[in-house]
Amino acid sequence: DQQVKQNSPSLSVQEGRISILNCDYTNSMFDYFLWYKKYPAEGPTFLISISSIKDKNEDGRFTVFLNKSAKHLSLHIVPSQPGDSAVYFCAAPDNTDKLIFGTGTRLQVFP
Amino acid sequence: KAGVTQTPRYLIKTRGQQVTLSCSPISGHRSVSWYQQTPGQGLQFLFEYFSETQRNKGNFPGRFSGRQFSNSRSEMNVSTLELGDSALYLCASSDTSGGAFNEQYFGPGTRLTVT
Repeated sequence: DQQVKQNSPSLSVQEGRISILNCDYTNSMFDYFLWYKKYPAEGPTFLISISSIKDKNEDGRFTVFLNKSAKHLSLHIVPSQPGDSAVYFCAAPDNTDKLIFGTGTRLQVFP
Repeated sequence: KAGVTQTPRYLIKTRGQQVTLSCSPISGHRSVSWYQQTPGQGLQFLFEYFSETQRNKGNFPGRFSGRQFSNSRSEMNVSTLELGDSALYLCASSDTSGGAFNEQYFGPGTRLTVT
């Protein structure tokens, strides 16, 4: 049972435009969410997080939005740059402190 | 500070064999977590060690085991390898146990192929 779902395996966006990556979750007990970015041959790196007491968190070009009623979060990247091309994972810790990851979305930013 | 290192980076094994993977955390970090990444499942948590004790465990069969040494280096072992064990195995280190996931640093992973 996939508790964290990323239904779009890939996304292609032109440089300078907005990238929107989506994530859905099924466990209403999740109260903290993280986004990671992963380049080939490297481990994931933490990008941005959001607590369930907020509905938005912003860090430079990256903004995460949380809609608790819909059990949905999204990562917005504005403007998208070629260096943003990577696989993005959303994740949430469960009540036993295990980090539950989605299956990832591969973002390609083309010139 | 040096990052998290994992050895070997690539490994090819045959079904039925066993394998040991190694992870050296960032200096001063006492927590090491292991994850399995496969294309259809994303990253799945295997276990976490903190100060030589297994603190948390995911839903993997007993063929998957691990340990942590007094210098915080960690090894994971997979016995009786199956084709489905082919994956990227990632370890992550942090200086606390559980909770501070935004301060967890991943290594580059070991790519295991089982033939």
